[in-house]
Amino acid sequence: ETGVTQSPTHLIKTRGQQVTLRCSSQSGHNTVSWYQQALGQGPQFIFQYYREEENGRGNFPPRFSGLQFPNYSSELNVNALELDDSALYLCASSSSGTGYYEQYFGPGTRLTVT
Amino acid sequence: GENVEQHPSTLSVQEGDSAVIKCTYSDSASNYFPWYKQELGKRPQLIIDIRSNVGEKKDQRIAVTLNKTAKHFSLHITETQPEDSAVYFCAATLGHGAGSYQLTFGKGTKLSVIP
Repeated sequence: ETGVTQSPTHLIKTRGQQVTLRCSSQSGHNTVSWYQQALGQGPQFIFQYYREEENGRGNFPPRFSGLQFPNYSSELNVNALELDDSALYLCASSSSGTGYYEQYFGPGTRLTVT
Repeated sequence: GENVEQHPSTLSVQEGDSAVIKCTYSDSASNYFPWYKQELGKRPQLIIDIRSNVGEKKDQRIAVTLNKTAKHFSLHITETQPEDSAVYFCAATLGHGAGSYQLTFGKGTKLSVIP
């Protein structure tokens, strides 16, 4: 069984730029959720993807968008980067529709916006 | 939406003592409550969880209790060891079928176990 993987590990971008982060879900999982974790805080829910569609969204602006692919992997895109977007971005995979609610996190992508 | 409060924010215990972390939630419909352990620079790791139809769950040295009436749940770690030192997060969600499993997290508790 393979775990959740994310790429890249670290990223430095300039304010106003765009960024794409990637996540591969754990084997057998069909749902991917994205979270933003600011330094010293708990993760905050951005959105979730199930069956290639957005299936729930947190309090984040539309410049945060995502995709899910047929193999259940997912991308998080952030446009018009702001300094406050600097954070650890975590994805978590789970298996919807099975009665199991457990979410397993990837190692995260550390994004720094300068 | 759901709001989760977590206390204390920091906790220091002597090795071998017990540690207790408490959380409260606001949405009475929430039915799934996981606990995550996050070591410095690492991913949050699911260590134990509980569903609303269960009052207590134990796994070796860790246990979680849930009081649905009071809307609070707690993590108990017994016989603490230095490797238990980490930040612990509680979370809550309404899990159902193919619906959204949005986890709402507390702000975390930094546990330090002093050898």
